[in-house]
Amino acid sequence: DAMVIQNPRYQVTQFGKPVTLSCSQTLNHNVMYWYQQKSSQAPKLLFHYYDKDFNNEADTPDNFQSRRPNTSFCFLDIRSPGLGDAAMYLCATSRGATTNEKLFFGSGTQLSVL
Amino acid sequence: GEDVEQSLFLSVREGDSSVINCTYTDSSSTYLYWYKQEPGAGLQLLTYIFSNMDMKQDQRLTVLLNKKDKHLSLRIADTQTGDSAIYFCAENEGTYKYIFGTGTRLKVLA
Repeated sequence: DAMVIQNPRYQVTQFGKPVTLSCSQTLNHNVMYWYQQKSSQAPKLLFHYYDKDFNNEADTPDNFQSRRPNTSFCFLDIRSPGLGDAAMYLCATSRGATTNEKLFFGSGTQLSVL
Repeated sequence: GEDVEQSLFLSVREGDSSVINCTYTDSSSTYLYWYKQEPGAGLQLLTYIFSNMDMKQDQRLTVLLNKKDKHLSLRIADTQTGDSAIYFCAENEGTYKYIFGTGTRLKVLA
């Protein structure tokens, strides 16, 4: 089945230690997104890629970076995680970026920062 | 800024109907969505409605849209224990931008 896969499911890192979260997709979708979801809150868009074009949300901290080496893979890099970065990180894809493009989500990576 | 609001919790008995409500602020939203999130999982699209529609039915799911009041609801008929999850309302501002509500945690009691 075509899907969005996130690895790892759970990630523990230390305060200030760089961490990378991975996402891959077999849907061949053009757009890949990273959302941050804290407990009992709405998912918050960090950035997205349309093909190779990177689009950062205005309020996404510089601490968060992303890479998309090819259509299938997208990475979220947190350069110096703080305690406030502990959250569920959700990767999503869509075929395009027009109105009513349905989002397809991965299962998420739960990040803990010690 | 745009905001999407939902009540946090809903508890129903198995077999009853559940109604989850949502209010949104962006009157230019073209599509409105309901997503379901089971524990430890990502969001799964349940259904959506185009803004020029009042109602959409899809098996046990009925979506009602009151555009004047900017109110969206999701009715689940014959609620089952497998429906226990968090339900997110979302509006599409255009292109890639989705605004999600804070989610309603539905608990179905056997």
